[in-house]
Amino acid sequence: EVQLVQSGAEVKKPGTTVKLSCSFSGYTFTDHYIHWLQQAPGKVPEWMGLVHPEDGETIYAEKFQGRVAMTADTSTDTAYMELRSLRSEDTALYYCATEKSGGFHHWGQGTLVTVSS
Amino acid sequence: DIVLTQSPLSLPVTPGEPASISCRSTQSLLFSNGYNYLNWYLQKPGQSPQLLIYLGSIRASGVPDRFSGSGSGTDFTLKISRVEAEDVGLYYCMQSVQTWAITFGQGTRLEIK
Repeated sequence: EVQLVQSGAEVKKPGTTVKLSCSFSGYTFTDHYIHWLQQAPGKVPEWMGLVHPEDGETIYAEKFQGRVAMTADTSTDTAYMELRSLRSEDTALYYCATEKSGGFHHWGQGTLVTVSS
Repeated sequence: DIVLTQSPLSLPVTPGEPASISCRSTQSLLFSNGYNYLNWYLQKPGQSPQLLIYLGSIRASGVPDRFSGSGSGTDFTLKISRVEAEDVGLYYCMQSVQTWAITFGQGTRLEIK
């Protein structure tokens, strides 16, 4: 069974950095792209970017360019997403998901990040 | 970026009755390989989204056959042949033909009458 387990909730101050993790099991980690999405309260999910574990290739959404970094550690089958210069609008649930044939077949449970002074 | 417009935004349905959601795109989602890169997701209250349909019409693993997807190019439809109480939630379409700029529709809330 494919499982994506994300790290726990975070509370951060504006201007700081958060780094979230997503641990994979039940499939070959390097086989699929891993995507990260942001879902603000009551809003539609927003795509942030992707990382390919096999070669570290990344593509970031224009909105998050310069503030985000996505990595993948093949020794621990874990993906990471770092978001810098946090602001109140970054308060949201963050999801990791695996992609196959253009669809996100498996999702993590989400990590709540609260940005507040 | 590609904009996806869903309708209706709210969908009250009697259990056992059919339901249909439309998703229209500002650009064609048909890729050169002949597949439409349009997905449908259901987000139940308090849960992560779950994939229902990918490549326009292929049911994801474990999805009941009362769900079906159709369409091509810029017009797509999700149909539920007989709505059940467990189908309540937010339905989103999502395009991934532009891998560098994946976008979602604004969502359709299905509720039971």
